[in-house]
Amino acid sequence: KAGVTQTPRYLIKTRGQQVTLSCSPISGHRSVSWYQQTPGQGLQFLFEYFSETQRNKGNFPGRFSGRQFSNSRSEMNVSTLELGDSALYLCASHRQQLGRLAGYNEQFFGPGTRLTVL
Amino acid sequence: GIQVEQSPPDLILQEGANSTLRCNFSDSVNNLQWFHQNPWGQLINLFYIPSGTKQNGRLSATTVATERYSLLYISSSQTTDSGVYFCAVKSTGTASKLTFGTGTRLQVTL
Repeated sequence: KAGVTQTPRYLIKTRGQQVTLSCSPISGHRSVSWYQQTPGQGLQFLFEYFSETQRNKGNFPGRFSGRQFSNSRSEMNVSTLELGDSALYLCASHRQQLGRLAGYNEQFFGPGTRLTVL
Repeated sequence: GIQVEQSPPDLILQEGANSTLRCNFSDSVNNLQWFHQNPWGQLINLFYIPSGTKQNGRLSATTVATERYSLLYISSSQTTDSGVYFCAVKSTGTASKLTFGTGTRLQVTL
């Protein structure tokens, strides 16, 4: 079974540009979450999508947005890039449990996209 | 929101030694995972352990949910165990958001 895939793996952009990152979850997983990792702030939650709907959002400015498609693939977009947006962006997928198991779900991470803003 | 603390922040071991990494969390959880981050940044799943004890080879983990802590044991450490170990939790009622600790950086030397 293929794991979570993320493209591109590396990106270099300049301040003011925008960027789109892509994530394909494990087959059968309908939930996708995005995280940002920086040396100063560690791993922080960006947002989560389930069935094309954003279910939860972290404390990031509106320049960070995302979406999910009907095949569960997800994209995140960062507009008007700033130097501080340089980070490793990680995507995680999980099978959404229902009923009494809701909330119990092991998350699996992709290899990440390393974004450098110059 | 929930707070997650990991200790120690840094650990240096000789090959063959054993170690215990700790994760304390401030609220009840229904998901707790341990990860190993490799040098390329990928988070490798070690354990999904909201409660109880699990073992996988030289690694084992125990979560005592009522006392809000989890332990990761590494026995007979190898140089390939080097890297950063993260504990991540999901508190009840927060959809699927994982809150990560700051990690334990492990270096295993020959």
